[in-house]
Amino acid sequence: EVQLVESGGALVQPGGSLRLSCAASGFTFSSYAMSWVRQAPGKGLEWVSAISVSGGSTYFADSVKGRFTISRDNSKNTLYLQMNSLRAEDTAVYYCAKDGRNHIWAGYFDYWGQGTLVTVSS
Amino acid sequence: DIVMTQSPDSLAVSLGERASINCKSSQTVLSSSNNKNYLAWYQQKPGQPPKLLIYWASTRESGVPDRFSGSGSGTDFTLTISSLQAEDVAVYFCQQYNTTPMYSFGQGTKLEIK
Repeated sequence: EVQLVESGGALVQPGGSLRLSCAASGFTFSSYAMSWVRQAPGKGLEWVSAISVSGGSTYFADSVKGRFTISRDNSKNTLYLQMNSLRAEDTAVYYCAKDGRNHIWAGYFDYWGQGTLVTVSS
Repeated sequence: DIVMTQSPDSLAVSLGERASINCKSSQTVLSSSNNKNYLAWYQQKPGQPPKLLIYWASTRESGVPDRFSGSGSGTDFTLTISSLQAEDVAVYFCQQYNTTPMYSFGQGTKLEIK
């Protein structure tokens, strides 16, 4: 059974940093691209970042470019999102999502974690 | 950037009736190289993560009931629930992935029982 379990969400002050993790199991993690998608309270979905199977290619939404970095450790089956210079508008539930096809980008997400809440407030 | 716009924002349909949700993209999501539409639909129930329903605009994900269907091409797409069930109450999102690996979602359509 595919499982994605996010952790690391917390209350943080504006300008602060946070690192999210997503522990994957039930599939060959190293064969799939992964993404982070966020959802502000009561709002829609916003794609945040994506990473290739090897970790060698990373992509970011304009809203987080230069502040967030994405990485993965295929030996630990874990995806990360390092968030710096956090702003109030980064407040959201952050989901990790698995790409739909192995070894090549599919672009749709066939499994999602339950999410972890990040609150940016003083 | 491709902007996805869904209509309506909310919808109330009687049990057993048909529900249709529209999604329009600001640019085509039809690839000329493989003639596929890079469009997916998700269902999100309260307190839960999104669930994939449809990809390639009309391919149903494994395990999704056949009352869910997707149609359309280019810039205009529709998600149809042929006979609404109580468990279909949710928010539905479309997503384009023609600009893989950078994606965009529609704003969501809330589906309720009339």
